Amino acid sequence: EPEVTQTPSHQVTQMGQEVILRCVPISNHLYFYWYRQILGQKVEFLVSFYNNEISEKSEIFDDQFSVERPDGSNFTLKIRSTKLEDSAMYFCASSEGGRAEAFFGQGTRLTVV
Amino acid sequence: RKEVEQDPGPFNVPEGATVAFNCTYSNSASQSFFWYRQDCRKEPKLLMSVYSSGNEDGRFTAQLNRASQYISLLIRDSKLSDSATYLCVVDPNTGGFKTIFGAGTRLFVKA
Repeated sequence: EPEVTQTPSHQVTQMGQEVILRCVPISNHLYFYWYRQILGQKVEFLVSFYNNEISEKSEIFDDQFSVERPDGSNFTLKIRSTKLEDSAMYFCASSEGGRAEAFFGQGTRLTVV
Repeated sequence: RKEVEQDPGPFNVPEGATVAFNCTYSNSASQSFFWYRQDCRKEPKLLMSVYSSGNEDGRFTAQLNRASQYISLLIRDSKLSDSATYLCVVDPNTGGFKTIFGAGTRLFVKA
């Protein structure tokens, strides 16, 4: 069964450092998403990406964040100058259609120290 | 009013019970609706989409009431393995592609 894969599963970084979270969406999917979930809180939408550009972003997704599809398979989330409050689980998801069911990767747990 | 609001939990039910979860959404233009389940510290997993006509998948039935901006999920014959957090997810149809998650309702099924 095709699945979304994310690497690494856990990343620890120092405050102020840059991190890149990586995702390989399901191969025939065209829409890609990043979400985050702070421990004990709800899943929050960050950004969606379609046709090599951002489709929509939330107020959380400020200049500190960027996304890229550097090749035909990877989808990355870059967080510049990390802050303690960026510590969360980051989920990548993909869907076949824009308003279709999205399938999630297993997540990257980011810990900023 | 929150964009997506769910029943506060937790729900504690015995095996074999029927349990219903409710969810309301604030944006009447919302277009797509889903139920996901999330196990502790795991990713959300799609349970089912919710259609205007209602839909059923085995022991699970989802209903949508657009007039009341209300979605429900019914689980019949609960199993221990149904213990999880159930997430109501709505596409608010605000232009781009996004979904809003409810805070989730925790279900504990006990033997």
